[in-house]
Amino acid sequence: AQSVTQPDIHITVSEGASLELRCNYSYGATPYLFWYVQSPGQGLQLLLKYFSGDTLVQGIKGFEAEFKRSQSSFNLRKPSVHWSDAAEYFCAVGIRGSQGNLIFGKGTKLSVKP
Amino acid sequence: DAMVIQNPRYQVTQFGKPVTLSCSQTLNHNVMYWYQQKSSQAPKLLFHYYDKDFNNEADTPDNFQSRRPNTSFCFLDIRSPGLGDAAMYLCATSRGAADTQYFGPGTRLTVL
Repeated sequence: AQSVTQPDIHITVSEGASLELRCNYSYGATPYLFWYVQSPGQGLQLLLKYFSGDTLVQGIKGFEAEFKRSQSSFNLRKPSVHWSDAAEYFCAVGIRGSQGNLIFGKGTKLSVKP
Repeated sequence: DAMVIQNPRYQVTQFGKPVTLSCSQTLNHNVMYWYQQKSSQAPKLLFHYYDKDFNNEADTPDNFQSRRPNTSFCFLDIRSPGLGDAAMYLCATSRGAADTQYFGPGTRLTVL
């Protein structure tokens, strides 16, 4: 069965430091890959997505992610974190040819300290 | 401009009292989804509509139903809410199957 693993439940970084959030998936073929961000009490906002092509994708708010087929990973990165980046981050996998269901990881909560 | 709108943002109901949550979209997307998200958990898909075709997840309780009267609107009906149904309910839309999903702000449901 397909699954998404975000190994870090909670990460704390200092403002201005770099960030990497990990995401690994289990699926027999290349899936669609997404990162969403959720602020407290809010819906999910799409940060970036990978469907095909260049494995390094750029998103909003200065985020990027790299698809590594050999590692079944789609890690999210940002070179310099801002206090407003504090939120919960969800990695999600979409299965090609499916009805469109997304499989979400359990999320990583990011805290930013001054 | 709001693209996926959910009303109300906060809903309080009593145990066993039916409640309806509303979602509308201005994107003219074919697919609309309802997710349940409990505290500190990932969103869990309840069901979705591809146009008028309804698709129920196997483990969605019978207590949850949905209606999509037209392209723009989709409703989530909870017939007899229990305490365990307190959660954030998220609506999402996509142009087609396996396309990017765009989420609304959610409705926080409290069951007393």
